[in-house]
Amino acid sequence: DVKVTQSSRYLVKRTGEKVFLECVQDMDHENMFWYRQDPGLGLRLIYFSYDVKMKEKGDIPEGYSVSREKKERFSLILESASTNQTSMYLCASSFSRGGTYEQYFGPGTRLTVT
Amino acid sequence: AQKITQTQPGMFVQEKEAVTLDCTYDTSDPSYGLFWYKQPSSGEMIFLIYQGSYDQQNATEGRYSLNFQKARKSANLVISASQLGDSAMYFCAMREMRGSTLGRLYFGRGTQLTVWP
Repeated sequence: DVKVTQSSRYLVKRTGEKVFLECVQDMDHENMFWYRQDPGLGLRLIYFSYDVKMKEKGDIPEGYSVSREKKERFSLILESASTNQTSMYLCASSFSRGGTYEQYFGPGTRLTVT
Repeated sequence: AQKITQTQPGMFVQEKEAVTLDCTYDTSDPSYGLFWYKQPSSGEMIFLIYQGSYDQQNATEGRYSLNFQKARKSANLVISASQLGDSAMYFCAMREMRGSTLGRLYFGRGTQLTVWP
């Protein structure tokens, strides 16, 4: 079974802190994604990556950065957390060739910034 | 413009009845894929069903079927014989094949389904 894990289920941080959210997948997927989910807005793509050290902005990259130093790991960084970044963060991964490109999701991290 | 539109924020259905969750999409790419995911209150996203734009038959997976109407750009999810465990948020999503965004999915805002006894 594909497994996508995220470093924390719940996280509470203070405004201005630097926050790291980690995601690891064990299926040798090329693609990895970070989304945030807010009520009534669905899933919005923050950043994605097609390969190690490669990244592309999604729809809402402002205030975030990412790092992919190893194929299995994709990190989301909040450089200076703000209260409007309180949200559920979901990581996903998929193959880049063949098949349906179905995305496999982690359990999510519910981040609260106070 | 939104690529995926789900117009039903909430839906209610009685147990054992069938329910249709609406999804319309917008793309000029002739090659694309459509997905439905389920998100229970626990938060995990569960893949349900996939339909490719060139697939001739509507996709089915157990009690789930995708009513694909290409001309209308519609990809509705039909759940037959609803169960209490079907209560969840349901998301429609689309993948376009062109350009460098292979693998990226566009998600709708979701429909909260409640199944009552």
